[in-house]
Amino acid sequence: DAKTTQPTSMDCAEGRAANLPCNHSTISGNEYVYWYRQIHSQGPQYIIHGLKNNETNEMASLIITEDRKSSTLILPHATLRDTAVYYCIVPPFEFKLSFGAGTTVTVRA
Amino acid sequence: DAGVIQSPRHEVTEMGQEVTLRCKPISGHNSLFWYRQTMMRGLELLIYFNNNVPIDDSGMPEDRFSAKMPNASFSTLKIQPSEPRDSAVYFCAGKQGNTGELFFGEGSRLTVL
Repeated sequence: DAKTTQPTSMDCAEGRAANLPCNHSTISGNEYVYWYRQIHSQGPQYIIHGLKNNETNEMASLIITEDRKSSTLILPHATLRDTAVYYCIVPPFEFKLSFGAGTTVTVRA
Repeated sequence: DAGVIQSPRHEVTEMGQEVTLRCKPISGHNSLFWYRQTMMRGLELLIYFNNNVPIDDSGMPEDRFSAKMPNASFSTLKIQPSEPRDSAVYFCAGKQGNTGELFFGEGSRLTVL
């Protein structure tokens, strides 16, 4: 599995954009980047994924650098309900996902 | 769709007792995963099935743990005998096809006294 590195924690002000970085320098050419989040006492929730191009959905945007060695998940207008642990994952071809420690994001009013 | 359904949501049992956790995946999802989450070890993949067949059980901690998937709509994770160190939240997740988009259940919180 390509290893990912994320900051342990970050704070964000409510209503502001939250930019969550992830390094995956050993990613191979056909491996995707997936993002999940886990709100307290709930199961993990899929957010978004991408290969090369930037992606956007109703939850977030994903920016992948041209060399694909890092990416940024953007929550455009963070709310208190976005407080969660966010996981950046680069799964192997069989999509057997391994979750690391993730980034604990705290959105403050 | 009701999503992935796990039962029981909470279970408290005594050491040595048998524990059975159940999972009903979303209809049409042909891959099923069992994860365990603890504060110390985070989320660990225990086993996953593809089309009801166990593909990789390398994450199963020891012989006390077993998992079955008798049909596409039901899976069980059994611990016999249970030990206090098995206390954790156990999640079931499913997906359809060749994707990393997993749908997780709400988990079963197990406490072994």
